[in-house]
Amino acid sequence: GQNIDQPTEMTATEGAIVQINCTYQTSGFNGLFWYQQHAGEAPTFLSYNVLDGLEEKGRFSSFLSRSKGYSYLLLKELQMKDSASYLCAVPLVFGKGTRLSVIA
Amino acid sequence: KAGVTQTPRYLIKTRGQQVTLSCSPISGHRSVSWYQQTPGQGLQFLFEYFSETQRNKGNFPGRFSGRQFSNSRSEMNVSTLELGDSALYLCASSFVAVSSYNEQFFGPGTRLTVL
Repeated sequence: GQNIDQPTEMTATEGAIVQINCTYQTSGFNGLFWYQQHAGEAPTFLSYNVLDGLEEKGRFSSFLSRSKGYSYLLLKELQMKDSASYLCAVPLVFGKGTRLSVIA
Repeated sequence: KAGVTQTPRYLIKTRGQQVTLSCSPISGHRSVSWYQQTPGQGLQFLFEYFSETQRNKGNFPGRFSGRQFSNSRSEMNVSTLELGDSALYLCASSFVAVSSYNEQFFGPGTRLTVL
């Protein structure tokens, strides 16, 4: 079977850096995704990792370690608009999401 | 390019009724996946259709069914509604099958309330 674990909630300060962790167990591996979902809206794609290492995309970076079944999403220079749920996913299986609150 | 559209956006039904939800993918996308989202369980996979064939199916009872048409539009049907079926139903499209890795584009969802 497949299982994904991530923290339920996190709070961080505007301008700071936050790391959202994700651990997964899968029977096969075809890559790991991160999606952002603002309240009342649909999820939108943020990043994809299929090889070990760090993928950087502007203020957002995502890291993957396949041997450890571990990934994280790093958000830098936090802005109020980054307050949202962040979903870790392998194809067809999503974590329950980490609700990030950015405070002033 | 138009995004994924879902109709209706909101729906209220009573227990025992049946409901059909519709999803139109992004033009050129051949894969449509359906998910149920609830506060307690998060986003749960229902099924995926690719070129009119069901490719994958999640762990939901047979009351949940779907189909895909030749123009890639998809419908999802839930029969004999239960209170626990109240949820946001999200449709997502991608160019190729999701299991082959592909970014998914989500529609705005249909909010179903069962009374």
